Amino acid sequence: NAGVTQTPKFRILKIGQSMTLQCAQDMNHNYMYWYRQDPGMGLKLIYYSVGAGITDKGEVPNGYNVSRSTTEYFPLRLELAAPSQTSVYFCASSYPLDLGDTQYFGPGTRLTVL
Amino acid sequence: AQSVTQLDSQVPVFEEAPVELRCNYSSSVSVYLFWYVQYPNQGLQLLLKYLSGSTLVKGINGFEAEFNKSQTSFHLRKPSVHISDTAEYFCAYGGTSYGKLTFGQGTILTVHP
Repeated sequence: NAGVTQTPKFRILKIGQSMTLQCAQDMNHNYMYWYRQDPGMGLKLIYYSVGAGITDKGEVPNGYNVSRSTTEYFPLRLELAAPSQTSVYFCASSYPLDLGDTQYFGPGTRLTVL
Repeated sequence: AQSVTQLDSQVPVFEEAPVELRCNYSSSVSVYLFWYVQYPNQGLQLLLKYLSGSTLVKGINGFEAEFNKSQTSFHLRKPSVHISDTAEYFCAYGGTSYGKLTFGQGTILTVHP
């Protein structure tokens, strides 16, 4: 199993550009999550999905969009990139038998918006 | 709303010394608590978790944590650290809908030779 994979590893964007961060998991997990990590702030939930076709906002959704057409993939779309979106983005997945199931994280995408 | 507070942003320690990383949570509902570790330039991986039962939880790499309901704490401990334990550690609260986690701010543990 590759687990959770993310592409690209690094990206530099100019203000106003758009991009899609890719996330895939091969564990047949129902639940998937997108977080952003800023220094000293921990991880903040951007969006999450409980299955194909079902997504919902997390704590910091503004400026982002998601879709989930299959169990495996959960891309995160940035429209009109802003410097405030400079961050490290992590995708995670879990197969919750109950609320205590472990989330498995990808290696992250480091995004800089200039 | 639930919140998680990690009381120390940085903890320097010498190799083979004991260490405690502190975490407090606020919630009045069912409590699921986690500690994750992030090594440099990597994603997060689970160290241990408390769901119910024994309040002393043992995890990987010799770490353990104690759930204290009266003090709303879930401190992480290791009796003797190694250089390889240098990483950032995150406490997280679960128990909400759809497995969502609320993370603390993180504690950077630096182990010096």
